[in-house]
Amino acid sequence: SQQGEEDPQALSIQEGENATMNCSYKTSINNLQWYRQNSGRGLVHLILIRSNEREKHSGRLRVTLDTSKKSSSLLITASRAADTASYFCASFQGAQKLVFGQGTRLTINP
Amino acid sequence: GAGVSQSPRYKVAKRGQDVALRCDPISGHVSLFWYQQALGQGPEFLTYFQNEAQLDKSGLPSDRFFAERPEGSVSTLKIQRTQQEDSAVYLCASSFRQGGQPQHFGDGTRLSIL
Repeated sequence: SQQGEEDPQALSIQEGENATMNCSYKTSINNLQWYRQNSGRGLVHLILIRSNEREKHSGRLRVTLDTSKKSSSLLITASRAADTASYFCASFQGAQKLVFGQGTRLTINP
Repeated sequence: GAGVSQSPRYKVAKRGQDVALRCDPISGHVSLFWYQQALGQGPEFLTYFQNEAQLDKSGLPSDRFFAERPEGSVSTLKIQRTQQEDSAVYLCASSFRQGGQPQHFGDGTRLSIL
């Protein structure tokens, strides 16, 4: 079973534009994480936002969390070709079981 | 090595054969996880180890799936009598300690069952 649902499933933008991906989840969380996966590779942890935080920044990444709506968004500013990847939100069910959404496939066109 | 290492990267097997997939976690990482990722989907949890103890195997699809981590470092995921629906990418991840820490993933083993 998957905890989150990402929206959109696929996104294609021009290099330099901003990309926004959304994630909705079902159960209460302590934190929510975003991961990136390049084609044929493993997942790379990008950022973690705790349930008592509303917004967090890391470089060109900005994550927001709305626990009342059970939703989060990931914004990538000034996109680059190297940002082309799939992006997943994930949260814990229990102490260790990380549950992922279906992901957003982001394509940055040069 | 610096990261999580998985082998083989690709495995092709005939239906009914047994396969074994290996994961070398980051040295010193206590927690180790196995995930199954179908094409176009997010990873789905299979099982979790803390050191050598398998604390959660609730995600294993059937009793044909078996995982071990006998010395608390390298782990092996074994699938017996493989079926076509077992075709997927199998990802291993490790984290330094328990309790919600970010997980570090290997590049996975792509398993194809013919």
